Amino acid sequence: NAGVTQTPKFRVLKTGQSMTLLCAQDMNHEYMYWYRQDPGMGLRLIHYSVGEGTTAKGEVPDGYNVSRLKKQNFLLGLESAAPSQTSVYFCASRSGRNFTYEQYFGPGTRLTVT
Amino acid sequence: RKEVEQDPGPFNVPEGATVAFNCTYSNSASQSFFWYRQDCRKEPKLLMSVYSSGNEDGRFTAQLNRASQYISLLIRDSKLSDSATYLCVVNKRTSNTGFQKLVFGTGTRLLVSP
Repeated sequence: NAGVTQTPKFRVLKTGQSMTLLCAQDMNHEYMYWYRQDPGMGLRLIHYSVGEGTTAKGEVPDGYNVSRLKKQNFLLGLESAAPSQTSVYFCASRSGRNFTYEQYFGPGTRLTVT
Repeated sequence: RKEVEQDPGPFNVPEGATVAFNCTYSNSASQSFFWYRQDCRKEPKLLMSVYSSGNEDGRFTAQLNRASQYISLLIRDSKLSDSATYLCVVNKRTSNTGFQKLVFGTGTRLLVSP
């Protein structure tokens, strides 16, 4: 099993450009998440999905959109990148079984917006 | 007040030392508690869950004090390979959907030296 994979690993964008981050998991997990990690802030939840075709906002959703058209994929989109979106983005997934809260993380995408 | 608070460190200890990390959380309704480990420029990985009765995994011991809303991690006989950031993680039920999400502390950095 590859677990959780993310593409790309690194990206530099100019202000106003758009891009899509792809997350894929091969563990048949129901739940998927997108986080951003900034120094001194910890991991903050951007959006999440509890199943194919469903998405919901986390604590910092502004400026991002997501889609979960297939159970194994969760896409994070930036329509018009801003320097404040410079961060490390982690995708995670977990099983939908009750009381199983362990999340498995992808290796991260380092995004710089200039 | 942050929902999960940790001393950022760094904790500098020699090999073989015993080191303890503490964490406090604000949501008394939280039910699940974890310690994750994050190596430099890598993704977080689950180190261990924390149970009410306390639990041990080799050199690592986790304790939970629900009355004080306090979680601890003890590492005995520190190894160079233990150098990493340790994230305290607590679950939280969102008020509108009942969805369980994880709240991450900002982490405590450990440096083990020869």
